[in-house]
Amino acid sequence: AQSVTQPDIHITVSEGASLELRCNYSYGATPYLFWYVQSPGQGLQLLLKYFSGDTLVQGIKGFEAEFKRSQSSFNLRKPSVHWSDAAEYFCAVVPSGSARQLTFGSGTQLTVLP
Amino acid sequence: DTEVTQTPKHLVMGMTNKKSLKCEQHMGHRAMYWYKQKAKKPPELMFVYSYEKLSINESVPSRFSPECPNSSLLNLHLHALQPEDSALYLCASSQDSQGAYGYTFGSGTRLTVV
Repeated sequence: AQSVTQPDIHITVSEGASLELRCNYSYGATPYLFWYVQSPGQGLQLLLKYFSGDTLVQGIKGFEAEFKRSQSSFNLRKPSVHWSDAAEYFCAVVPSGSARQLTFGSGTQLTVLP
Repeated sequence: DTEVTQTPKHLVMGMTNKKSLKCEQHMGHRAMYWYKQKAKKPPELMFVYSYEKLSINESVPSRFSPECPNSSLLNLHLHALQPEDSALYLCASSQDSQGAYGYTFGSGTRLTVV
């Protein structure tokens, strides 16, 4: 079945530490890939997106993501986390084919310790 | 203007009330969406409008009635809701229904049904 999976429900890191959030997808063809961030009670903000080309994508707020076709992954990274990065992070896909709607993974809640 | 504006931000309504949620964008996007998000869950697609025509209804109960008066506006009319309909309702838009460039989300309407 087609799906996007975020294996980590909750991650806790210390401020200044590095961060990696995992995302795996299961689609016949590589979908369009996105990472969104949602602060409590807020809407979703697009961090970055991948369509094709360079597999390392730079986004806003110092985030980057790497597309690995062999692993069907699109992991989000940040070298040094700030307290303001605490939020819910969603990996999302737009599949190729007829059903081209944005579909979200289950989300990863990030807690940042001082 | 690079925003999607949703009003009201908060709404409390009784089960016999009729209310409407409003969404507006001035980015020239031709696809607009309603999503429903329950606490600690990812957003779930409700409706898709493409070029002002309803293209997808994800089996949403008839007590939710969408309307797209023009290319910049999207409404969601609510009638006879149930307490389990309490959620964050998110509006989004994209350049077209292919979704290749990602979606821009509003900050949502927090709906409470009493």
